[in-house]
Amino acid sequence: DTGVSQNPRHKITKRGQNVTFRCDPISEHNRLYWYRQTLGQGPEFLTYFQNEAQLEKSRLLSDRFSAERPKGSFSTLEIQRTEQGDSAMYLCASSYRNSGNTEAFFGQGTRLTVV
Amino acid sequence: GQQVMQIPQYQHVQEGEDFTTYCNSSTTLSNIQWYKQRPGGHPVFLIQLVKSGEVKKQKRLTFQFGEAKKNSSLHITATQTTDVGTYFCAENFGNEKLTFGTGTRLTIIP
Repeated sequence: DTGVSQNPRHKITKRGQNVTFRCDPISEHNRLYWYRQTLGQGPEFLTYFQNEAQLEKSRLLSDRFSAERPKGSFSTLEIQRTEQGDSAMYLCASSYRNSGNTEAFFGQGTRLTVV
Repeated sequence: GQQVMQIPQYQHVQEGEDFTTYCNSSTTLSNIQWYKQRPGGHPVFLIQLVKSGEVKKQKRLTFQFGEAKKNSSLHITATQTTDVGTYFCAENFGNEKLTFGTGTRLTIIP
C-alpha cells in the first residue's frame, strides 16, 4: 500500500496526558497537511508543510499542539496536556504541489478519545 | 469557522433516484474540489473545478461550478448503494489548504 499511512489508528488517553501521532505521506509528495474532524463536521485545517518547512498554522492550533516534519518525509503531531475537547479524528493528507491539480490524498486518520 | 455551506445536511433517497448536493459561498471561490467520505472512512478526492460555469462528468456524477464562482453542485443520477457516504465540497484557497464545506450525508434506501 503506497497511500498515506497514519499511526496509531486509535488512541485513548487520560486528560492531561501527552499524545503523539505519526503520518507517513506518499513518498513523492512535498506537501503534508494535518486536519481535525469531529462527528458530523467537515475536516478543519490545522497546519501544513512544504518539505520540512511549516508554512501555516491555523488559529485552531493552540500552544499545546506542535507539528514537525524534520526531514521532509514523515510528520508528527503532538498534543500536550490533552483536554476532552481534543477528542476528534486527526487526518493527515499529502499532495504534490505543482501549478495544476492539487488533489489531496488522505490517510485513514487517528481517532483520539480523551477521557 | 467554515465559510462554505452545503445543503442539504442529510438526504435519504430510494435506490435508483437522483441526488443533488449544493455548495454555497458568500465570497468568490478560487476553485472547488469535491470529496467523498464513506462511513468510517477518510475523504477521497473526486474532482476539481476551476473555471466559471465549468461542468465535468464522471459516469453518473455531474459537477458544476457556478458562473459567479460562488456555488457548486454535485448531481448523482440513478443512485446505487455504493454511493452512500458524505459528500464534501472544499475550496483549495490559493492552492494551499482546503476549507471544507459542512457536508451532505447521503443514505440509500434499497
